[in-house]
Amino acid sequence: GAVVSQHPSWVICKSGTSVKIECRSLDFQATTMFWYRQFPKQSLMLMATSNEGSKATYEQGVEKDKFLINHASLTLSTLTVTSAHPEDSSFYICSAPQWASGSKREQYFGPGTRLTVT
Amino acid sequence: AQSVTQLDSQVPVFEEAPVELRCNYSSSVSVYLFWYVQYPNQGLQLLLKYLSGSTLVKGINGFEAEFNKSQTSFHLRKPSVHISDTAEYFCAVSDRGTGNQFYFGTGTSLTVIP
Repeated sequence: GAVVSQHPSWVICKSGTSVKIECRSLDFQATTMFWYRQFPKQSLMLMATSNEGSKATYEQGVEKDKFLINHASLTLSTLTVTSAHPEDSSFYICSAPQWASGSKREQYFGPGTRLTVT
Repeated sequence: AQSVTQLDSQVPVFEEAPVELRCNYSSSVSVYLFWYVQYPNQGLQLLLKYLSGSTLVKGINGFEAEFNKSQTSFHLRKPSVHISDTAEYFCAVSDRGTGNQFYFGTGTSLTVIP
């Protein structure tokens, strides 16, 4: 199946700094990618939809200026956590859909990035 | 909008015993249904999915799930669990129309006791 990668897999940063997380579709093109956030022992919450060539669509309650999303190419979306604070510490997961047989879309998830803000 | 409810947050079960993890959903449109497993500090691994056809779906690692439209359920089952099945399990739905956005349940932590 298709592969989605994320980089880095683990990052520690100081409070007030910015961190960039990359999401790549390795063997297919994705005009749309999704970013999720997962707190410890909790489920995945959709943060935003990343659209190649246009602005990202954010879910209600997600700060656009804090979580900057750039869909730079058909295989790359980046999530930048600006002025990170300890409460931003979380597990961030991206996903990308790919058309499979017929009209069915398959969704492929990246391995996740664990962000720890000290 | 869609929503997913996983009724059990934690399920302890003895090794080689059967297990059922419950999932109910609500949606105003037709949906696809999925079960994912997540091991500590790792991403999601697809266990199985229901897109159409037979309501009994078989997945990896001996898991299966049955789609029940009238009860809007998609419970996950395994007849005999192993220690290695200890993990977090998530039920998810996506809109059939776009198949894009996923909505996840809150997860069920399965602990297999030796």
